[in-house]
Amino acid sequence: EAGVTQSPTHLIKTRGQQVTLRCSPISGHTSVYWYQQALGLGLQFLLWYDEGEERNRGNFPPRFSGRQFPNYSSELNVNALELEDSALYLCASSRIKGGQPQHFGDGTRLSIL
Amino acid sequence: GEDVEQSLFLSVREGDSSVINCTYTDSSSTYLYWYKQEPGAGLQLLTYIFSNMDMKQDQRLTVLLNKKDKHLSLRIADTQTGDSAIYFCAEIEGNTGKLIFGQGTTLQVKP
Repeated sequence: EAGVTQSPTHLIKTRGQQVTLRCSPISGHTSVYWYQQALGLGLQFLLWYDEGEERNRGNFPPRFSGRQFPNYSSELNVNALELEDSALYLCASSRIKGGQPQHFGDGTRLSIL
Repeated sequence: GEDVEQSLFLSVREGDSSVINCTYTDSSSTYLYWYKQEPGAGLQLLTYIFSNMDMKQDQRLTVLLNKKDKHLSLRIADTQTGDSAIYFCAEIEGNTGKLIFGQGTTLQVKP
């Protein structure tokens, strides 16, 4: 069974640009979650999508947004990039919203210059 | 708000047992998790325990849960150099889908 796949693996952007990160969940999983792992800040919850709907959002500004497609894959969009957006962005998926364990991908490393 | 605390560093000799400890605050958490992160990689789910269990064993891993003290531990038997990594404890926040992570414990295994 293929795990959670994320693309791209690395990305370099400059301040003010926009970026789109992609995630494909494990087959059969309908929930997708996004987390940010920034140096010194730990792992922070960003967004949760289930069945195409945004179910919950973490304490991040509106320039962080995303969507989930009918095939359950997901995109995370970040507009007006700032230096502090440099981080590892991790996507996870689960079979049933809330209770099942979340399985993570290897992440996208975003560097802002 | 909810919080998860872990010690930051643990050093053991190869072949010894490692015990990584975690405390959490949300008594309504249904599941508690242990994840492993190797350098440059994502999070690997190691094991998890349902809140009505006291203990779960999975090969070299033993998870102990003390609900009264809100304390979770992960014991790794016969620790190997390949176990060197950062270990995260996490709890699920109600039905929000949000995992709350501890700061991570860096496990160093000396040959």
